[in-house]
Amino acid sequence: GAVVSQHPSWVICKSGTSVKIECRSLDFQATTMFWYRQFPKQSLMLMATSNEGSKATYEQGVEKDKFLINHASLTLSTLTVTSAHPEDSSFYICSATSLEGLYGYTFGSGTRLTVV
Amino acid sequence: RKEVEQDPGPFNVPEGATVAFNCTYSNSASQSFFWYRQDCRKEPKLLMSVYSSGNEDGRFTAQLNRASQYISLLIRDSKLSDSATYLCVTGTGDEKLTFGTGTRLTIIP
Repeated sequence: GAVVSQHPSWVICKSGTSVKIECRSLDFQATTMFWYRQFPKQSLMLMATSNEGSKATYEQGVEKDKFLINHASLTLSTLTVTSAHPEDSSFYICSATSLEGLYGYTFGSGTRLTVV
Repeated sequence: RKEVEQDPGPFNVPEGATVAFNCTYSNSASQSFFWYRQDCRKEPKLLMSVYSSGNEDGRFTAQLNRASQYISLLIRDSKLSDSATYLCVTGTGDEKLTFGTGTRLTIIP
């Protein structure tokens, strides 16, 4: 089956630093990648949608200059949280779909970010 | 008002019992419907898609009522391993998914 590998699983960083999260589709071409954020006891909230080779589309209220998304290849998308603050501490999850839609939505295992 | 609403629970149910969850959605343009399960600190995993005619997968039965914009999940003969948070999810034609906050289920031995 389709697998999306997400790294790191967890990260602790200091305020003001940047953190990069990677998602790789291991056995299919991820034409579209979705990035979500989940705060404790809340639902997954879509942050942005990225298509390979084009700029990401951000949801309302999500700062594109703070959450940099790069989807340079069909198997790799990255989310960089810039100038992280404690309120950015959350569970970040990616999800990928393929052009053919054969694999539905495949989720990465998530990254737990703690900013201290 | 949230786009997908669920009773957060928790539901504490004895092993072997039958439990049902409900969900309502507000976006009438929703075209696809799913139930996902999410274990603590893990990613969501697809449990089943939901079709208008209703569908069953082993001990799990899902129903969709488009007129009332209502989705349900029934779990029969519940197992300890069914303990998780169940997420009601809708999708629109642009591939975006909207997640409910989830219903927490604990199966008690």
